[in-house]
Amino acid sequence: AQSVAQPEDQVNVAEGNPLTVKCTYSVSGNPYLFWYVQYPNRGLQFLLKYITGDNLVKGSYGFEAEFNKSQTSFHLKKPSALVSDSALYFCAVRDIRTGGFKTIFGAGTRLFVKA
Amino acid sequence: GAGVSQSPSNKVTEKGKDVELRCDPISGHTALYWYRQSLGQGLEFLIYFQGNSAPDKSGLPSDRFSAERTGGSVSTLTIQRTQQEDSAVYLCASSLDVTGYEQYFGPGTRLTVT
Repeated sequence: AQSVAQPEDQVNVAEGNPLTVKCTYSVSGNPYLFWYVQYPNRGLQFLLKYITGDNLVKGSYGFEAEFNKSQTSFHLKKPSALVSDSALYFCAVRDIRTGGFKTIFGAGTRLFVKA
Repeated sequence: GAGVSQSPSNKVTEKGKDVELRCDPISGHTALYWYRQSLGQGLEFLIYFQGNSAPDKSGLPSDRFSAERTGGSVSTLTIQRTQQEDSAVYLCASSLDVTGYEQYFGPGTRLTVT
């Protein structure tokens, strides 16, 4: 069965510093990987995805993520954090071999960016 | 264009009552998903519909939960004999009928069971 782990409940970073939000996954086949963001009082929004090809994918708002097959990780990164990046971030995985459209989300990581 | 809409936005019900939650997906999206987000928790997969295929109900927590999708568009999630542990935000999402496409989420229905 597919699963996703976000080992940090919360990440704190100062504005202007680089940020990393960690995600590891487990699937029996090849994964489709996603990051979504939930701003306060707003719905979940898609940030970026890895389907195939280049391991480094770029998404909205300057975010990027690197797919590492050997470490089964898909960490979210941004070179310079903004206060407005403070939100709840979810990693998600779909097992394209067995899971069809079923998508499993991690528990979420709350990012606090301090001015 | 119009996004995913859900109704009602808030629902307060007494324990033991049945509730129906509605989702209108984005026009042209043939995949539709339901998730549950409990306070401070992640998203729990409930069910998805994809085109005319049989739905994947593997995430429904009990037989009190059911969902249907009429005409390949609007979906209704029904919870029978609600319990206090059913209190959560129920999120609906839709996506294009191609694997790998991102999901577009609705604003959710906040269900409170008293």
